[in-house]
Amino acid sequence: AQSVTQLGSHVSVSEGALVLLRCNYSSSVPPYLFWYVQYPNQGLQLLLKYTSAATLVKGINGFEAEFKKSETSFHLTKPSAHMSDAAEYFCAVSVPGGYNKLIFGAGTRLAVHP
Amino acid sequence: KAGVTQTPRYLIKTRGQQVTLSCSPISGHRSVSWYQQTPGQGLQFLFEYFSETQRNKGNFPGRFSGRQFSNSRSEMNVSTLELGDSALYLCASSPVGNPEETQYFGPGTRLLVL
Repeated sequence: AQSVTQLGSHVSVSEGALVLLRCNYSSSVPPYLFWYVQYPNQGLQLLLKYTSAATLVKGINGFEAEFKKSETSFHLTKPSAHMSDAAEYFCAVSVPGGYNKLIFGAGTRLAVHP
Repeated sequence: KAGVTQTPRYLIKTRGQQVTLSCSPISGHRSVSWYQQTPGQGLQFLFEYFSETQRNKGNFPGRFSGRQFSNSRSEMNVSTLELGDSALYLCASSPVGNPEETQYFGPGTRLLVL
């Protein structure tokens, strides 16, 4: 069975600081991995996804993530946080043969302070 | 293209009632998935429909059901509502429901059961 673990339910950074949100997955087959962001009272928006092409994936709003098979990780980073990055971030996995069922991590709430 | 739309956006029901939520996917998308989001359980997959057929179902009781119409619009129904059904219900669409596809989420329907 697949699962996703996001370390840290709350992360706080200063504006301009590095953002690092951690995601580890468990899957018996090569997974597809996604990062979504959710702003208050809104649905989820895709930031980026890994679908077995390049292991370093660049997404919207300056975010990127690196797929590391040996570490079963897909951590999300952004070099310089902006106030508008404050939101909840979800890592998710889907697998071949599983149609598009997404299994989500518990989420990480990112706070950005001046 | 218009995004995924969900109606109604907010709903208040009492225990024992039933409720129907509606989702209109992005034009041309034939796969529609439903997710439940609660503070305690996070984001959980309910079911996925493609061409009016349910292809995948999450671990929810039979009180949760859905259907898809020939125009790909989907509805989900919850019968005999319980307090624990209070949640944000998210609908997502994708072209054909392959696991590597991006799912586009609607803003959700927030259901409160009293």
